[in-house]
Amino acid sequence: NAGVTQTPKFQVLKTGQSMTLQCAQDMNHEYMSWYRQDPGMGLRLIHYSVGAGITDQGEVPNGYNVSRSTTEDFPLRLLSAAPSQTSVYFCASSRTGDRKNTIYFGEGSWLTVV
Amino acid sequence: AQSVTQLGSHVSVSEGALVLLRCNYSSSVPPYLFWYVQYPNQGLQLLLKYTTGATLVKGINGFEAEFKKSETSFHLTKPSAHMSDAAEYFCAVNVANAGGTSYGKLTFGQGTILTVHP
Repeated sequence: NAGVTQTPKFQVLKTGQSMTLQCAQDMNHEYMSWYRQDPGMGLRLIHYSVGAGITDQGEVPNGYNVSRSTTEDFPLRLLSAAPSQTSVYFCASSRTGDRKNTIYFGEGSWLTVV
Repeated sequence: AQSVTQLGSHVSVSEGALVLLRCNYSSSVPPYLFWYVQYPNQGLQLLLKYTTGATLVKGINGFEAEFKKSETSFHLTKPSAHMSDAAEYFCAVNVANAGGTSYGKLTFGQGTILTVHP
């Protein structure tokens, strides 16, 4: 049972570099999302998707791009990394938008921007 | 709109003592509430969830939570703490619009770090 898989787990970037955080789920879930976790702030929603080809912004979308070309994959792109993007990133998925559904999380990606 | 407030960013208990982690919510629609646990350098694991029905919800690892609408609370408890319970705990509410439509999104509290002393 792979569930939600994120890569890489750890990454150090220089300011201005770009990179993509990968997220894949093998549960045929329609809904996927990205959160960032910062100390004392819990997790905040960056972007989410309700199906292939459909994405929308969350609470803190600036500096991040997403696309959803397949049901399985939902990559998060940082076009020009800034120190303020140093954080832990979590990808999540759920079967549908039914509020009863459990939302599953990946293991996280620790990103440091220097 | 929905929001969650966790009271106390750090809670410290002795092994064998009662664990009480506090969570209050605000929601314009009936709330669906969750508790997640995060062990160091790991992802989030679902402890328990309240959707509808019984207000006392039992989860994994001996944890339970009670939904109290009159107090807008969903506090997490465990009768006897174990060293392995040391982790960060997050309360969350499923985000829904006025019509009850959700998009698989959660709003989280700030998190509570639980320390267990021998």
